Amino acid sequence: DQQVKQNSPSLSVQEGRISILNCDYTNSMFDYFLWYKKYPAEGPTFLISISSIKDKNEDGRFTVFLNKSAKHLSLHIVPSQPGDSAVYFCAASTGNQFYFGTGTSLTVIP
Amino acid sequence: GAGVSQSPSNKVTEKGKDVELRCDPISGHTALYWYRQSLGQGLEFLIYFQGNSAPDKSGLPSDRFSAERTGGSVSTLTIQRTQQEDSAVYLCASSFQGAPMTEAFFGQGTRLTVV
Repeated sequence: DQQVKQNSPSLSVQEGRISILNCDYTNSMFDYFLWYKKYPAEGPTFLISISSIKDKNEDGRFTVFLNKSAKHLSLHIVPSQPGDSAVYFCAASTGNQFYFGTGTSLTVIP
Repeated sequence: GAGVSQSPSNKVTEKGKDVELRCDPISGHTALYWYRQSLGQGLEFLIYFQGNSAPDKSGLPSDRFSAERTGGSVSTLTIQRTQQEDSAVYLCASSFQGAPMTEAFFGQGTRLTVV
């Protein structure tokens, strides 16, 4: 049973435009959410996180939004750059475990 | 090195054979996680080690899977009598502590192919 879902397996965006990656979760007990970025043949690397007590966290070009009532999380990348092309995993945690989505492959077109 | 190191990076094995996957966490990290990613699936939790506490094995898919962490550092994930459905990328991650506020750092993974 997938507790964290990323329904879009892929996304293509023009360079300079906004990339929006979405994530839905089912467990209301999740209290921490993270986004990871993964390049081919490499392990995922931490990108940005948000606590359940917040609804927005911003770090440079990356902003994560949390809508607890909708159990929805999104990552905005503005402006998108070709180097942002990667697979992005959404993750949620409660206690010691992280639950990951299936990932969204982002392609930023120069 | 400064990051989480996993070996081998690729492993091809025959069905029925045993395999061992190794993870060297970041020095000083007390928490260590094993995940796997099968084709088209998200990252699936397998097992979690935190310091000297008993590991959380709740994610291990069958009794063919086991893991050890020696001396609170290096971990080995063992899969006995491998099956084709075991084919996946196995990822190890470590962090300073197991609290949800701490981000885990991942290794590059071991791609296991069972033929």
